[in-house]
Amino acid sequence: AQTVTQSQPEMSVQEAETVTLSCTYDTSESDYYLFWYKQPPSRQMILVIRQEAYKQQNATENRFSVNFQKAAKSFSLKISDSQLGDAAMYFCAYRSGSQGAQKLVFGQGTRLTINP
Amino acid sequence: DGGITQSPKYLFRKEGQNVTLSCEQNLNHDAMYWYRQDPGQGLRLIYYSQIVNDFQKGDIAEGYSVSREKKESFPLTVTSAQKNPTAFYLCASSKFWGGLPQQFFGPGTRLTVL
Repeated sequence: AQTVTQSQPEMSVQEAETVTLSCTYDTSESDYYLFWYKQPPSRQMILVIRQEAYKQQNATENRFSVNFQKAAKSFSLKISDSQLGDAAMYFCAYRSGSQGAQKLVFGQGTRLTINP
Repeated sequence: DGGITQSPKYLFRKEGQNVTLSCEQNLNHDAMYWYRQDPGQGLRLIYYSQIVNDFQKGDIAEGYSVSREKKESFPLTVTSAQKNPTAFYLCASSKFWGGLPQQFFGPGTRLTVL
């Protein structure tokens, strides 16, 4: 079974600075997807970024980028120019690459605080 | 606008009662999912459905039941057999074939057992 581990329960960063959230996963599959979801105080789960395992290039979405190390099974999220609105719980999630309905396996989450 | 709705936002249940959480989507997605979120933990899968009239147990299905009579709807019933039902429940949906691989989430229902 796949597992996802987020080793940082809490992180804080000064506004406008850069922060990196860590995620490691365990799988025997070669085809899969990795995601970072954001859960603000409203508790709505919002997709931040997606990475396909077959792509060597790291995904980027504006101020958000990932460092995907497939051999090390590591998938960290970098947030540049942190903003107050980035404060939230961040969850790393894994999904098998098979077609059809596939569950997401979530990490425990990292609570990110932005200091003004 | 397309999206997923869940109702109610807050739900209170007395011990021994069954309660049903609603989930509706108008994204034309084939697959729907129910997750449970407890404090300090990530989401865990309760049930999922790939097509109408078909559903499978997830990792923590005991004490829950679902139905999928319409493509748009996937209600979750929390039965009295669920020992610790107080939690935040999230419904999600995705395309079954093709489309984006990520799941889209509803706003959630907070269930509290009194």
